Formats: sequence, C-alpha cells, structure tokens
Amino acid sequence: DGGITQSPKYLFRKEGQNVTLSCEQNLNHDAMYWYRQDPGQGLRLIYYSQIVNDFQKGDIAEGYSVSREKKESFPLTVTSAQKNPTAFYLCASSPGTSGVGKNIQYFGAGTRLSVL
Amino acid sequence: RKEVEQDPGPFNVPEGATVAFNCTYSNSASQSFFWYRQDCRKEPKLLMSVYSSGNEDGRFTAQLNRASQYISLLIRDSKLSDSATYLCVVNTPYSGAGSYQLTFGKGTKLSVIP
Repeated sequence: DGGITQSPKYLFRKEGQNVTLSCEQNLNHDAMYWYRQDPGQGLRLIYYSQIVNDFQKGDIAEGYSVSREKKESFPLTVTSAQKNPTAFYLCASSPGTSGVGKNIQYFGAGTRLSVL
Repeated sequence: RKEVEQDPGPFNVPEGATVAFNCTYSNSASQSFFWYRQDCRKEPKLLMSVYSSGNEDGRFTAQLNRASQYISLLIRDSKLSDSATYLCVVNTPYSGAGSYQLTFGKGTKLSVIP
C-alpha cells in the first residue's frame, strides 16, 4: 500500500524537551516537505528536501531541525528552542519540484503536537 | 498583499446548490495551480489541478485567468460529502534559487446542509 506514513499521530512535549516526528514514504519521491498548520491558518513550510542528503530552510525553520539520510525518510525534530510548538504537523512528498505533475504534493495523515 | 488569498467563508449551502470559490495570487511567475480539499482534522488531499484552458472533473470545474491572477472552483449539485475546507494552492518561485514551492491559501470552508 503506497503512501506517506507519519508517526505518532499524537505527541506531547514537556518543557525543554526535544521531540522527533517521523515521516516515511514508499512512493519513490525525490522531494519531501514539512509543514505546520495552526487553527484557522494556512500551511507554513518548515523545511524541504529536494534530494537525499540535502535540505533547505522554509519560512519558519527556527526551532526545528531535519535530516534526509535516506530517500524514504525525512524526520523532523522540534527542539526546545521552538517556544510555541503546539500545532498540526504535516509531512508531504512529491516526485520532484518542477515539471508537469512532478510538483504535486501528497500528504501524510499528520501529527498533532501539544505541550504539557 | 498576501501571496494566495481566499474568502474564508463559511459558505453554508443547501444540498443540490451550485457554489463557487475564488482565489487570487500575487506572483505573476507562478507556474502551477491546484485545488486541495481538507476535511476537519485531516490532511489536505489533491482535488484537481487547474489548467489555463479550464478543466472539469464530474461536478467540479476549475478555471484559471493568468491575466487577472485569479483561480476559481465551481461545485455543482452539492452533496453533504462535499463539506470540507477547500485550499487554493499555487506553485511560486522560492528563495530566488530557481526552486518553486507550493503556497497554500488559508482555505474556504464549505458546509452543505440537508
């Protein structure tokens, strides 16, 4: 069953704690993305990766870190430096970033992060 | 001016009605255009791509006006299952490095009422 798997579905963070959100895809897509969505707001880009071993900051990268050691995996770490982490986090992938049809993004089911 | 603007709604319409959503985008270099659907507390899912010539998929029709930088989505014969938030999405140049990223509107909420 092809798709994008995010885990966990719900996550709670204590003050000063780093937490890591998992994102795995078996679509053989080159590009992967992390977004944050707050209530009533649009999606905001945190980080993206166009290819293995490379990633770029998005609009709101402060307080977050990522790695892309494998094509299938793009984990996101929410560090203690992120002072307002409560949000819905969405991972997406696309075949590429340009070209007809290649930039269409497909999303995982998301992780809801809350602060204890 | 925001990059992608949509009327937030909510649009409350009876079953069987026709409803239209509008969207404007600010970057004239944008290349690709999409409508996504997002159900409450779920992930966005691609509804349809939008082409310059306009395109139709069943009860859904999307149109693009590049000169006015305007995108529309028309839903005919609304069903209860159409209730969701509809996101206008535009592929825009990003960071001046030759890459493009999707920019999402905040969405228009539709409620179809029995």
